[in-house]
Amino acid sequence: GENVEQHPSTLSVQEGDSAVIKCTYSDSASNYFPWYKQELGKRPQLIIDIRSNVGEKKDQRIAVTLNKTAKHFSLHITETQPEDSAVYFCAARRWGTALIFGKGTTLSVSS
Amino acid sequence: ETGVTQTPRHLVMGMTNKKSLKCEQHLGHNAMYWYKQSAKKPLELMFVYNFKEQTENNSVPSRFSPECPNSSHLFLHLHTLQPEDSALYLCASSQDGTGGEETQYFGPGTRLLVL
Repeated sequence: GENVEQHPSTLSVQEGDSAVIKCTYSDSASNYFPWYKQELGKRPQLIIDIRSNVGEKKDQRIAVTLNKTAKHFSLHITETQPEDSAVYFCAARRWGTALIFGKGTTLSVSS
Repeated sequence: ETGVTQTPRHLVMGMTNKKSLKCEQHLGHNAMYWYKQSAKKPLELMFVYNFKEQTENNSVPSRFSPECPNSSHLFLHLHTLQPEDSALYLCASSQDGTGGEETQYFGPGTRLLVL
């Protein structure tokens, strides 16, 4: 089955800096890669996703890149703000199966 | 955020108790999931139901028993749990297999403490 590795487990940045979180997956048939943000005491919420037929997707300060050959994808957050502080999870799945999540990255943005 | 609801939100139970967690989705989805979230294994998939049929059981101990009476409701029946089962139990739903949106939406979770 699918296995997703996520790095780093913790990330501390200064407000205004960029943050990058990287994930690798094992199942070459996986075709959907979402990123979730989970604030303390709240449910995970989708922030951006990418499908295997696209190499990059951007939504304001957030972008995701996908390298199918290397089987890795990354989340990029630019101009970080304190409210970006949360746990971020990457995930991967093939059609018709459940999402398999990475272990999460705790992002801390200090002002 | 009322698309996926879960009750109760908090639960304390002894090891000999029997309790049930309930999840309801109001999004018209056809797939529902149970995840366990703990410090050691964040977002660990437990069960998957597609069109009310269980399609995945990720080696979950038999003291956890899922039930999906229809595509809108999902239960997790608990009995003779262990303290290490204390965690946040998250329900999720998605629309699968029809070319529709495949994003999984999560409920708020049930915080379970086993004494």
